[in-house]
Amino acid sequence: EADIYQTPRYLVIGTGKKITLECSQTMGHDKMYWYQQDPGMELHLIHYSYGVNSTEKGDLSSESTVSRIRTEHFPLTLESARPSHTSQYLCASSERRVDAEKLFFGSGTQLSVL
Amino acid sequence: SQQGEEDPQALSIQEGENATMNCSYKTSINNLQWYRQNSGRGLVHLILIRSNEREKHSGRLRVTLDTSKKSSSLLITASRAADTASYFCATDATGYGNNRLAFGKGNQVVVIP
Repeated sequence: EADIYQTPRYLVIGTGKKITLECSQTMGHDKMYWYQQDPGMELHLIHYSYGVNSTEKGDLSSESTVSRIRTEHFPLTLESARPSHTSQYLCASSERRVDAEKLFFGSGTQLSVL
Repeated sequence: SQQGEEDPQALSIQEGENATMNCSYKTSINNLQWYRQNSGRGLVHLILIRSNEREKHSGRLRVTLDTSKKSSSLLITASRAADTASYFCATDATGYGNNRLAFGKGNQVVVIP
């Protein structure tokens, strides 16, 4: 099992609420990622970070924001949740390498917005 | 962005049988990886094959890569009920400059005890 943790595992909230999904890793990895995944579908990269104070938007447009103040912590925030944000959110990390990188994933947060 | 496409999308087999799934991609790659996802969980890395390799083994897993056809296959031999999961291929494309992986839609495998 990878040392990367996501909380909460499940979250049901009402429209308009502000939420923060937590992700922490204890492997000292520089690179961290947030993916969004709908049931039976591929993963879409929404945010990534190459280290402290580095954040970039991914391939899929998202209304969420991220921060990377500490190496081990990469939280994702939705300022005003909507039903269209209902999805599974997966956090991952990897070592900074010149050659192939392997991702370690957390167990995910299943978000339902009513 | 480049994405792998797994084929077949869903597979149901009896325990002990072999399971084969394929992945196709569109552009040149540095490497291709396979991940497993159990229902409601995160992905777990299974195996990585580099663009200059043609075949790789890890336990009951066998991966092949054909860069001329831009395709890869994952074979699970002597399947077990615990192999029931979704399997994703992910490509690390050349030219990206930042080694970002692109995932396919996944291949659901059900192993019947």
